[in-house]
Amino acid sequence: AQSVTQPDIHITVSEGASLELRCNYSYGATPYLFWYVQSPGQGLQLLLKYFSGDTLVQGIKGFEAEFKRSQSSFNLRKPSVHWSDAAEYFCAVGPSYGGATNKLIFGTGTLLAVQP
Amino acid sequence: EPEVTQTPSHQVTQMGQEVILRCVPISNHLYFYWYRQILGQKVEFLVSFYNNEISEKSEIFDDQFSVERPDGSNFTLKIRSTKLEDSAMYFCASSEGGPSYGYTFGSGTRLTVV
Repeated sequence: AQSVTQPDIHITVSEGASLELRCNYSYGATPYLFWYVQSPGQGLQLLLKYFSGDTLVQGIKGFEAEFKRSQSSFNLRKPSVHWSDAAEYFCAVGPSYGGATNKLIFGTGTLLAVQP
Repeated sequence: EPEVTQTPSHQVTQMGQEVILRCVPISNHLYFYWYRQILGQKVEFLVSFYNNEISEKSEIFDDQFSVERPDGSNFTLKIRSTKLEDSAMYFCASSEGGPSYGYTFGSGTRLTVV
């Protein structure tokens, strides 16, 4: 069955420290991969997406993610976290081109807290 | 930057009442979606809509739910007889094309059923 796992429910980092949020997926074919961020009371904002090509993708707000097919992972990274990065982060997978569905499957999210 | 707009931002309703959640997708988008997020749980797909008909729905989207695009700009989700377990954040999303175009989400409507 298609699924997305975000093993870390809650992460706390110090401002200025590096960050890595983990995401593993189970999917029949190589999916499209997304990271979304949700600030309190806000909607889901797209940080970055991977479809094909270079496995290291750059997104907004200084985030990047690396697709590793052998590990079925798509981890999100940021070299230096800012207090404004405190939010909930969702990994999602969607069908690759030609799939029979357009829906996204989301992970359970990782809540990021940033200490001063 | 174009946005998906959802109204209201918060709705409280009594159990058994009908509610309509409204969304204005991005104007040139063709695919429309509703997702929901029960507090503390993951975001779940409800339904997708394309070419004026439902293209896919989840097992959550039973006969109590319906969607409509009444006037070419709005996209609505109706819950006919709300239950306590319908309390959730409901997100509308739209897409210009298939998955490679990405999805733009609205800021959500928090529905509270009492």
